[in-house]
Amino acid sequence: GAGVSQTPSNKVTEKGKYVELRCDPISGHTALYWYRQSLGQGPEFLIYFQGTGAADDSGLPNDRFFAVRPEGSVSTLKIQRTERGDSAMYLCASGEQPNTEAFFGQGTRLTVV
Amino acid sequence: AQTVTQSQPEMSVQEAETVTLSCTYDTSESDYYLFWYKQPPSRQMILVIRQEAYKQQNATENRFSVNFQKAAKSFSLKISDSQLGDAAMYFCAYRSHNQGGKLIFGQGTELSVKP
Repeated sequence: GAGVSQTPSNKVTEKGKYVELRCDPISGHTALYWYRQSLGQGPEFLIYFQGTGAADDSGLPNDRFFAVRPEGSVSTLKIQRTERGDSAMYLCASGEQPNTEAFFGQGTRLTVV
Repeated sequence: AQTVTQSQPEMSVQEAETVTLSCTYDTSESDYYLFWYKQPPSRQMILVIRQEAYKQQNATENRFSVNFQKAAKSFSLKISDSQLGDAAMYFCAYRSHNQGGKLIFGQGTELSVKP
């Protein structure tokens, strides 16, 4: 596709459930980033992939959050035992290389009820 | 750690007028990048303008320009001839030269444009 694609657009889940959020980066982009944006706030960095490996996961809030990028393209952000505080917009971005312009997807709005 | 602060939660401008959005940041690094992103209601973050810290000249992109004051750690965005389509959340962001491209965002400024 032409841009970064995130699915689903919206996700409602019950507290305690497991969720997966998907990101399809722009073809050929080696760098991929996940951010979390709470209502009325700026995005906060979660994790950055260079190729298949997580180069920086310092933003993951706790061990309930995990992300993978097994083939160096599509990435999945996984959240276990969801809590109401996990409700936010989750944004994905990709770049040709690290330190080049990052292009953002439209995000997945996660609501934990 | 680097921080980015936007002290104006909301701003309003009349169509065709000029508005300036403020941003300050804190860093001990000398080489970095600064950005302004626009996030309309459609949610997609769009890059408006970027500035390399080593460049003294202020960046300009059509109606958008910045006032970069490195010593003061200030990076404001000026929008000239404001248009209705400029209404959005605007985020200032910082990127280190050597941390793989992760962005540190400010809290955002919601800009409304009055016809």
